[in-house]
Amino acid sequence: DIQMTQSPSSVSASVGDRVTITCRASQGISSWLAWYQQKPGKAPKLLIYAAFSLQSGVPSRFSGSGSGTDFTLTISSLQPEDFATYYCQQTDSFPYTFGQGTKLEIK
Amino acid sequence: EVQLVESGGGLVQPGGSLRLSCTASGFTFSSYAMSWVRQAPGKGLEWVSSISGSGGTTYDADSVKGRFTISRDNSKNTLYLQMNSLRAVDTAVYYCAKDRVAMAANDAFDLWGQGTMVTVSS
Repeated sequence: DIQMTQSPSSVSASVGDRVTITCRASQGISSWLAWYQQKPGKAPKLLIYAAFSLQSGVPSRFSGSGSGTDFTLTISSLQPEDFATYYCQQTDSFPYTFGQGTKLEIK
Repeated sequence: EVQLVESGGGLVQPGGSLRLSCTASGFTFSSYAMSWVRQAPGKGLEWVSSISGSGGTTYDADSVKGRFTISRDNSKNTLYLQMNSLRAVDTAVYYCAKDRVAMAANDAFDLWGQGTMVTVSS
């Protein structure tokens, strides 16, 4: 199985800050990497698919990059509504696996 | 409206069974692979099972293999998860999710239901 490791596990930041979250796969997954945002008590929301493609309706301050084993999610200028938990997911092969999550908190 | 609505969760004793349903609307259900993802209280997301649009191909996590069965009825626009031999560790919110693109492989999940809680306890 492919293991997905996110870092950091949590991060504190302020409105307007630039934040980067990383995700590393235990083996190459080409660009089959998605990023989700989840707020407490809510279902996950797709932000980025295929490593760098922005899902329709998602603000352009979100961007993804990477291929192979190393990926990043960047939020260019944090807004109040961005404080949430973020997960990466590989869809290269079954079993599809998620990272453990990164909680983005207000500083 | 494009949406997924889960039902069937509840409290069940260890060793018991439960069937979850996910009713889809607003899109051509039979064209999309569907999946179940769960989240234990205070924990991260765990992929559980996926099924092709036709229902002919399924995949299961090792943690549920032989106990859970994913299926679908395209005439009813409904996805199912039959859960047998339930354990305390299966306690979680269960989400159904839709592939982003019709008849595609390696796809992300672009539409999620609101989730249904399953609690396994005596």
